[in-house]
Amino acid sequence: DAGVTQSPTHLIKTRGQQVTLRCSPISGHKSVSWYQQVLGQGPQFIFQYYEKEERGRGNFPDRFSARQFPNYSSELNVNALLLGDSALYLCASSLGVQGWGQPQHFGDGTRLSIL
Amino acid sequence: DAKTTQPPSMDCAEGRAANLPCNHSTISGNEYVYWYRQIHSQGPQYIIHGLKNNETNEMASLIITEDRKSSTLILPHATLRDTAVYYCIPINTGTASKLTFGTGTRLQVTL
Repeated sequence: DAGVTQSPTHLIKTRGQQVTLRCSPISGHKSVSWYQQVLGQGPQFIFQYYEKEERGRGNFPDRFSARQFPNYSSELNVNALLLGDSALYLCASSLGVQGWGQPQHFGDGTRLSIL
Repeated sequence: DAKTTQPPSMDCAEGRAANLPCNHSTISGNEYVYWYRQIHSQGPQYIIHGLKNNETNEMASLIITEDRKSSTLILPHATLRDTAVYYCIPINTGTASKLTFGTGTRLQVTL
């Protein structure tokens, strides 16, 4: 069975540019979450989407946005890139939005480097 | 969400049991304890979760103290592939399932 897939695996951008990262959840999973992992730290929650609606948002600026499509895939957009946005961006999917008994399954992430 | 305390690093010989502790003294009654691990260059991987009873699956066992203020993840026969950062994460069942990762424990399995 295919796990969570993310594209691209690596990306290099310059300051001020915009980037779109993509995620395909495990088949049957309706919830997608996005996390940012800066080198040496644990992942930080950015967004959660369920049935195409935003269900949670972490402490990130409005430059970060996301959406979920009818097939439950998702995109994360970051505008006006800063050097501090350099990180591993992780996508996770789960059956539903509640935490009980529904672990999240992660992809291997997109490594974004800002020059 | 409850705060957690984990040792920053641990070593374990291959084939021996690895016991990873987690303190979550402020955990509330409706928070489950989830364990994830992150192998280098990969996304986090779900291991196991529990509320108040001990749990076991094909990957590990989870022992939760009776007062629920701490837990221990047990890898019964550690292998080199178990080298990873292990995260203990309390999750409220009534809220969105976001994960709040702490600093975790870096487990190094050696020959």
